[in-house]
Amino acid sequence: DGGITQSPKYLFRKEGQNVTLSCEQNLNHDAMYWYRQDPGQGLRLIYYSQIVNDFQKGDIAEGYSVSREKKESFPLTVTSAQKNPTAFYLCASSMGGSPLHFGNGTRLTVT
Amino acid sequence: GEDVEQSLFLSVREGDSSVINCTYTDSSSTYLYWYKQEPGAGLQLLTYIFSNMDMKQDQRLTVLLNKKDKHLSLRIADTQTGDSAIYFCAEITGTASKLTFGTGTRLQVTL
Repeated sequence: DGGITQSPKYLFRKEGQNVTLSCEQNLNHDAMYWYRQDPGQGLRLIYYSQIVNDFQKGDIAEGYSVSREKKESFPLTVTSAQKNPTAFYLCASSMGGSPLHFGNGTRLTVT
Repeated sequence: GEDVEQSLFLSVREGDSSVINCTYTDSSSTYLYWYKQEPGAGLQLLTYIFSNMDMKQDQRLTVLLNKKDKHLSLRIADTQTGDSAIYFCAEITGTASKLTFGTGTRLQVTL
């Protein structure tokens, strides 16, 4: 079955540590996206990539980094520079303006 | 700027109709979407409407679009307990298929 896989589902880290969230898709989609979800604030775009080896900052990119070395994979690193990293992170993909397909999310807790 | 607004909460009785409202600001949006999010999960595309349409019906779902007022609504007929979730409207902004999401409306279905 085609889809988007995010792992792990839950992630716990100590403050000051970098952490990488995985996102893999087998839908053959060109574009991939990372969103952050906080209660009562909807979803905010962190980074997006329209093609391999290229990506752009979204609305809240500070403290995050990404790479897009393969079409199927778009990992997100939450760095120690991110002031408030505890959130629910959602990865999505799309092809040529089609609706976004979402993974099931990773809940990151930093203490 | 781009902003999508929704009321935060709606409570309906099982069997009644639910109407979830959304206002958006980008008049150039080509598509507007409704997504459903169940607890701890990603977003599931429910339906979408092209900006040159006024209405779209899909089984129990009816989407109404008023472009003049930049108002979008989702009506769920015969609401069931399984419809309890958060519903997000979203508009496409810019040229990179980026979605701007509303804050989400939590629908509670009571017996």
